[in-house]
Amino acid sequence: SYVLTQPPSVSVAPGKTARITCGGNNIGSKRVHWYQQEPGQAPVLVIYYNTERPSGIPERFSGSNSGNTATLSISRVEAGDEADYYCQVWDSGSDHLWVFGGGTKLAVL
Amino acid sequence: EGQLVQSGAEVKKPGESLKISCEAFGYSFTSYWIGWVRQKPGKGLEWMGVIYPGDSDTRYSPSFQGQVTISADKSISTAYLQWSSLNVSDTAMYYCARRRRYCSGGSCYSGTYYFDNWGQGTLVAVSS
Repeated sequence: SYVLTQPPSVSVAPGKTARITCGGNNIGSKRVHWYQQEPGQAPVLVIYYNTERPSGIPERFSGSNSGNTATLSISRVEAGDEADYYCQVWDSGSDHLWVFGGGTKLAVL
Repeated sequence: EGQLVQSGAEVKKPGESLKISCEAFGYSFTSYWIGWVRQKPGKGLEWMGVIYPGDSDTRYSPSFQGQVTISADKSISTAYLQWSSLNVSDTAMYYCARRRRYCSGGSCYSGTYYFDNWGQGTLVAVSS
């Protein structure tokens, strides 16, 4: 089955840009979606179809996808962005249709 | 936009059965697939399966096939996840979520599926 690899943690100072990667074999050919999960809360969609932002998600959140790596970028990071972030693809080539990355904990220093 | 409201936390013993629910509000329940996602304590998200409430077409992850049953009652806009015999290893938070696909310029694209709206989660604790 298709595997998505995320770093367990990323640290960033307030006001800087955080970049969270999601690696997968030729992931650039797939459509990647990102979820934010704050402690004790349900996941929230922050990026879909590689680069699209749902309504209500700040413009500080952006996505890119090319080659073997997709990236979620958060500019002007705030303390409230501290959360777990998961990437996800839909893989028609396997029985595990919805594939999630292992998650990355974003720590705001 | 819609909302999914899940049933409350459950505490069960091994071997007991359980059915948890996910009620949809504010959108056409029969027009969108609903998925279930497991999250064990301190762990990541695992997709369990999806159901199309319009005709109850259901797909399961191989990891959960035969372990759970997903169903829906469109008359009350509610999806269900059930176990016939719980194990301690089933202790987790369970989320339902609405499946969407990317649409642009009047066209929608298969294979672009994601979950845009999540329930608040149902905690299931199984202990002897």
